[in-house]
Amino acid sequence: EVQLVESGGGLVQPGGSLRLACAASGFTFSSYWMHWVRQAPGKGLVWVSGINSDASGTSYADSVKGRFTISRDNAKNTLFLQMNSLRDEDTAVYYCANGAPLNYWGQGTLVTVSS
Amino acid sequence: QSALTQPASVSGSPGQSITISCTGTSSDVGSYNLVSWYQQHPGKAPKLMIYEVSKRPSGVSNRFSGSKSGNTASLTISGLQAEDETDYYCCSYAGSSTYVFGTGTKVTVL
Repeated sequence: EVQLVESGGGLVQPGGSLRLACAASGFTFSSYWMHWVRQAPGKGLVWVSGINSDASGTSYADSVKGRFTISRDNAKNTLFLQMNSLRDEDTAVYYCANGAPLNYWGQGTLVTVSS
Repeated sequence: QSALTQPASVSGSPGQSITISCTGTSSDVGSYNLVSWYQQHPGKAPKLMIYEVSKRPSGVSNRFSGSKSGNTASLTISGLQAEDETDYYCCSYAGSSTYVFGTGTKVTVL
């Protein structure tokens, strides 16, 4: 059974940093693209970032480019999202998802940016 | 990277068919047959319902079908059931390894 479990969310002040993690199991993690998608409270889904299977290629939404960094550790089956210079508008539930198309999703971790 | 446009809400009676549209541009929906659809119940993770415009993952009811014409993709739910009442999102590949989601549609079963 495919499982994706996000962690690392919490309350952070504007301008602060946070590192999210997504622990994967039930599939060959090192063979799949992985993504982060976010959803602000009461709003729609927004694709944030993606990384290819061997971490040689990454992509970002314009809204986070230069502030967020996606990475992965294939030995530990874990996906990461380093978020710097956080803004109020980054407040959202952050989901990790595997594949292309985005197939299986985790349950999400809530990031709240507020002073 | 503008969101794809979906109607805010669509409704239908049990047993009827409804169609949700998803309008993009020639840079996303119109350029790639890589449109997917997701169902999301409140407080839950999205679930993949359709991929590559019209393909259904294993386990998804054949009441769900997808199509595309030009810059607009569509999701049709036939034989509408109470359990179909929730939110639906389209998603398209947008080139350079990026994706764009739709604005979301709330389906109501009357």
